[in-house]
Amino acid sequence: AIQMTQSPSSLSASIGDRVTITCRASQGIGKDLGWYQQKPGRAPKVLIYAASNLQSGVPSRFSGSGSGTDFTLTISSLQPEDFATYYCLQDDMYPLTFGGGTKVEIK
Amino acid sequence: EVQLVESGGGLVQPGGSLRLSCAASGFMFRDYHMDWVRQAPGKGLEWVGRNKDKRRSHATEYAASVKGRFSISRDDSKDTVYLQMNSLKSEDTAVYYCVRVDGGKGGYDSLGSWGQGTLVTVSS
Repeated sequence: AIQMTQSPSSLSASIGDRVTITCRASQGIGKDLGWYQQKPGRAPKVLIYAASNLQSGVPSRFSGSGSGTDFTLTISSLQPEDFATYYCLQDDMYPLTFGGGTKVEIK
Repeated sequence: EVQLVESGGGLVQPGGSLRLSCAASGFMFRDYHMDWVRQAPGKGLEWVGRNKDKRRSHATEYAASVKGRFSISRDDSKDTVYLQMNSLKSEDTAVYYCVRVDGGKGGYDSLGSWGQGTLVTVSS
């Protein structure tokens, strides 16, 4: 199975900060990578699909980049509602696999 | 509006069985792949498996951790997908989410719509 290594596992940031989260695949996956946000007690929701496509309704401060093995999720200016856990997911090959998650906390 | 409502969770003994259901509404159910994703308490997300759309003959895929023990089926006449879980272990304790797979630009997929989840606890 393809392994997804996400970093950092947690970070502290302030409102207005630029935040970057990375995900590395154990083998090339093209652009078959999505990013998901999960708040405590809630189901995850998709932010980005195909590495860089913004899901409808998601604020433009979220962006994704990368292809092959290295991917990045960027939040250009962190807002209070962005404090959550973020996961990458590869859907290039079965079984689908998630990264370990990045918890974004308030500094 | 897309709605996915899971049911069937609860407490089950190790080695036992449980069947989860997910009732869908608000979309043409037969045209979508349906996934199950789980989350153990305090842990990350784990993809469990997929039942593909009617066009792909409802073929299934599974994570290695559940292959041979879990099966995903669906009844398109009832807009419902099922997760049959057998030979349950303590490590199967998790919230189980039902998820609709959406097709986006360029033919790329995403796990676009999620249910609220149902808790399965495997314990004696």
